[in-house]
Amino acid sequence: DAGITQSPRYKITETGRQVTLMCHQTWSHSYMFWYRQDLGHGLRLIYYSAAADITDKGEVPDGYVVSRSKTENFPLTLESATRSQTSVYFCASARLRDYGYTFGSGTRLTVV
Amino acid sequence: EDKVVQSPLSLVVHEGDTVTLNCSYEVTNFRSLLWYKQEKKAPTFLFMLTSSGIEKKSGRLSSILDKKELFSILNITATQTGDSAVYLCAVGGGGATNKLIFGTGTLLAVQP
Repeated sequence: DAGITQSPRYKITETGRQVTLMCHQTWSHSYMFWYRQDLGHGLRLIYYSAAADITDKGEVPDGYVVSRSKTENFPLTLESATRSQTSVYFCASARLRDYGYTFGSGTRLTVV
Repeated sequence: EDKVVQSPLSLVVHEGDTVTLNCSYEVTNFRSLLWYKQEKKAPTFLFMLTSSGIEKKSGRLSSILDKKELFSILNITATQTGDSAVYLCAVGGGGATNKLIFGTGTLLAVQP
């Protein structure tokens, strides 16, 4: 299916475990982003990528790792999950800088 | 520090009312301002504004940008219950990279 898809939709994990959230887009958009959304904070940028093999930190990168070996995939890994990382995670992509982002459906992650 | 502030945080109106949502910003190297609607899932794109004084319109929704006073408004006329959502304002800027800085959103509830 065309579009941007995230998996899993829901995930419960234990503190200290490694978790990877997947993001896949079919448009060959250059730009991809990971945001987390928490009450009172809105959407905060974790990491972004301008192209394959080019990534950079956003506002809240600590505890997260990303990679982008292929244009269409942008996985986000929590190296050792903490309760403070309980959140809804959104992946987004954009064809051009400043063009309207398209968001995936989100992953609701709970760290217990 | 770059910031985007939305007001009010929430409001409740009745069907048929007109509402105005506000977004002010302080962002270096401003490039664009975007409005999104978020219901249960991912934010969906509404408007992108780059020039002052030019109204963007889509059905009952309209938006305008004032780059001198650093704010934008989103108007919704003849509100319907389907307009109930969180409305997010985001500003593209903050340096050479493509980043959107989001406000915390305005929660709109439209009662029948």
